[in-house]
Amino acid sequence: NAGVTQTPKFRVLKTGQSMTLLCAQDMNHEYMYWYRQDPGMGLRLIHYSVGEGTTAKGEVPDGYNVSRLKKQNFLLGLESAAPSQTSVYFCASRRDKSNQPQHFGDGTRLSIL
Amino acid sequence: AQSVTQLDSQVPVFEEAPVELRCNYSSSVSVYLFWYVQYPNQGLQLLLKYLSGSTLVKGINGFEAEFNKSQTSFHLRKPSVHISDTAEYFCAVSELAGGTSYGKLTFGQGTILTVHP
Repeated sequence: NAGVTQTPKFRVLKTGQSMTLLCAQDMNHEYMYWYRQDPGMGLRLIHYSVGEGTTAKGEVPDGYNVSRLKKQNFLLGLESAAPSQTSVYFCASRRDKSNQPQHFGDGTRLSIL
Repeated sequence: AQSVTQLDSQVPVFEEAPVELRCNYSSSVSVYLFWYVQYPNQGLQLLLKYLSGSTLVKGINGFEAEFNKSQTSFHLRKPSVHISDTAEYFCAVSELAGGTSYGKLTFGQGTILTVHP
């Protein structure tokens, strides 16, 4: 009964390094989302996907890339990390276009030094 | 486009007292409304949702919310809080199913509820 699983849970990077955050869901959901959470700003959408092989930009996409090669996985990449990307990153998934709510992972806490 | 405003960033309350967390939204189209709760170092858990029908929605852990279309509000209430309700609460909206936003959620800034003994 895993739901949405994010790896890693914590990571510290140096400015300029790259890394990939992995989101995996076992609910056969079509839609997946990446958000970032910053104090006093709620969650903001970075990128999303409406199906395998598709991706689209959200509210704050700059500095991030994503891929959805398999339906169950949604990867978020930082090519050259910057201190402004220090945040908690949440992945979510949703069954389809219906009115079902999104299911969230437990988050990845990322610090860029 | 939608926007969500949570009017209080922090709400301190004593145990067994009632609480109301306020949420107002703005949207040019009809929306679904949600409240999520985030306990420390955890992800977001759905408390309740308004999709259609009765404007009073009951959720988990004794919480309820009332949708007021004329005031574009969706305030969250609980008649008697417990220490375990201490968490951050987020109000969120999404466009109706079939729209072009693909279920994207727009969140408010969050309200930290602290329940004191």
